[in-house]
Amino acid sequence: QVTLRESGPALVEPTQTLTLTCTFSGFSLSTRKMCVSWIRQTPGKALEWLARIDWDNDKYYSTSLKTRLTISKDTSKNQVVLTVTNVDPVDTATYYCARSPSVNKLDFDYWGQGTLVTVSS
Amino acid sequence: DIQMTQSPSTLSASVGGRVTITCRASQSISTWLAWYQQKPGKAPKLLIYDASSLESGVPSRFSGSGSGTEFTLTISSLQPDDFATYYCQQYSSLPYTFGQGIKLEIK
Repeated sequence: QVTLRESGPALVEPTQTLTLTCTFSGFSLSTRKMCVSWIRQTPGKALEWLARIDWDNDKYYSTSLKTRLTISKDTSKNQVVLTVTNVDPVDTATYYCARSPSVNKLDFDYWGQGTLVTVSS
Repeated sequence: DIQMTQSPSTLSASVGGRVTITCRASQSISTWLAWYQQKPGKAPKLLIYDASSLESGVPSRFSGSGSGTEFTLTISSLQPDDFATYYCQQYSSLPYTFGQGIKLEIK
């Protein structure tokens, strides 16, 4: 059974760094062609893909946010971590991690329940 | 970035009816398109991938079609559980992008 769960702070002050952790089970990121992405959803409900990390540690980022994002994985802990630097109130959103079962099948077949992050002083 | 456009933003339909939702890409994405259903307070759920392939466990009343820049999601015989928001997403090229979503309401 595949599950993903996001964790991180609910409230972050502007200019700080946000660190989010995705802990998953039921699959391994050491499996060939497996990928995990981070996606966020604003209060207005728009969905925005942020970053992806592959089984071989290849990493991909949103064009508009790439200078502020870092994605990493700890295969032994079944975790993927996303950091967002210099946060702003516009970064307020529900952050999801999601699995793509293969680099040849890049839809998101399993999602975490999401974690709401509010950026405010 | 490839822009995904869904319209209208809200659609009303009746239980037992049939509805078709449209998604347009700003450039050709072949069939690299997925459809998701989202209910309030929940994560999106994959319904269709590769434009027309039904995800395992998804009822057969859901179907997808299209290629290039024009895609449709059809729900036949609407059930009360189907009233939700539907998003399309392209994975033809990075960055992946989503449509703005269509909220399906009960008429």
